[in-house]
Amino acid sequence: DAGITQSPRYKITETGRQVTLMCHQTWSHSYMFWYRQDLGHGLRLIYYSAAADITDKGEVPDGYVVSRSKTENFPLTLESATRSQTSVYFCASMDSGANVLTFGAGSRLTVL
Amino acid sequence: EDQVTQSPEALRLQEGESSSLNCSYTVSGLRGLFWYRQDPGKGPEFLFTLYSAGEEKEKERLKATLTKKESFLHITAPKPEDSATYLCAVQAVRVQGAQKLVFGQGTRLTINP
Repeated sequence: DAGITQSPRYKITETGRQVTLMCHQTWSHSYMFWYRQDLGHGLRLIYYSAAADITDKGEVPDGYVVSRSKTENFPLTLESATRSQTSVYFCASMDSGANVLTFGAGSRLTVL
Repeated sequence: EDQVTQSPEALRLQEGESSSLNCSYTVSGLRGLFWYRQDPGKGPEFLFTLYSAGEEKEKERLKATLTKKESFLHITAPKPEDSATYLCAVQAVRVQGAQKLVFGQGTRLTINP
């Protein structure tokens, strides 16, 4: 299916565990982004990538790791999850010639 | 630092009752201002991009306008299916780096039948 896919859609984990959220897009867009959405804070940028093997920090990068070995994939890893990382995570992509973000459906993560 | 403030946080209207949502922004050189719609349990969906003061865009019952300091999303004769959270975002002019968007907290709009 064409588009941007996030998995898992729902995840419950425990404090200290490693969690990886996956993001896959089928358009070959250059840019990919990870946002988290929390009540009272709106959407905040965690990390972004301008192309394969190029990543950079956003507004709230602490506790997260990203990689982009292939253009279509942009996984987000929480190396040691904390309760404050309970949130809804959105992946988005954008073509280099445009400026419109297309979002995935989101991954709801609960850290107990 | 780029900032976006949306008001009100929540708005409840009767079907057919027109109103406006506000987005105030501070950015060092505006490249674009964006409006997104977000339904519960889904990702934001693009509505409009505005680039310069005075510009207006329309789509069905929605019209977005832009000044040098704020944007309005006008909703005319809304229907229950217009109920959603509306997000505003700005993109600053940058010489280098990815074209990041900074989002406001959103306005949760409810249209009662």
